Amino acid sequence: QLRLQESAPGLVKPSETLSLTCTVSGGSVRSSHFYWGWIRQTPGKGLEWIGNVYYTSSVYYNPSLKSRVTVAMDTSKNQISLTLSSVTAADTAVYYCARQGAQPDARGFLDVWGRGTTVIVSS
Amino acid sequence: EIVLTQSPGTLSLSPGERATLSCRASQSVSSSFLAWYQQRPGQAPRLLIYGASTRATGIPDRFSGSGSGTDFTLTISGLEPEDFAVYYCQQYDTSPPSLTFGPGTIVDIK
Repeated sequence: QLRLQESAPGLVKPSETLSLTCTVSGGSVRSSHFYWGWIRQTPGKGLEWIGNVYYTSSVYYNPSLKSRVTVAMDTSKNQISLTLSSVTAADTAVYYCARQGAQPDARGFLDVWGRGTTVIVSS
Repeated sequence: EIVLTQSPGTLSLSPGERATLSCRASQSVSSSFLAWYQQRPGQAPRLLIYGASTRATGIPDRFSGSGSGTDFTLTISGLEPEDFAVYYCQQYDTSPPSLTFGPGTIVDIK
């Protein structure tokens, strides 16, 4: 059974860089059938898509975050990662990793999610 | 950017009643790229419906989706206790690839 597990520092200081990893078990990130991505959730803005990565290393980002975000894949560890630079309190959120279909008849939705991890930006 | 609006914000119903949730898009959305999720407190969202009307694996048939263009609906035919949760619609843009979510509808117990 596919499982996604986020790991995170929990607390990040303002202006620093947030780094998260998502370990995938029960399946391979090196699949042509799926994108792997990040979504965050805040009480104020709800669910916000951050970006995703394909096994070819193609990446796609939310335009509102693009200047600060990097999503990457490590196939040797079966992980995806997220870095978000110059964080502020507005980046305090629950961060989820999730799988998105990439095939023409099964794309555009997130069918498997991690449990999420809370990141607080505070000094 | 396509903006999704959901209504009502909160729906107060009793178990066994029918719930009708609306999702409206600021521009036409391909039905292939409209999905619905359920989120219970403390849990990640769970995919219910994709392609506007196809139930995801393991989703009970009391959940159904319909609609096209800019107006989509999620119907729960008879609310079970575990269905009281928040529901989100989501659309996918192909150019450039991106996803956006609606603000959610809370279904709570009357």
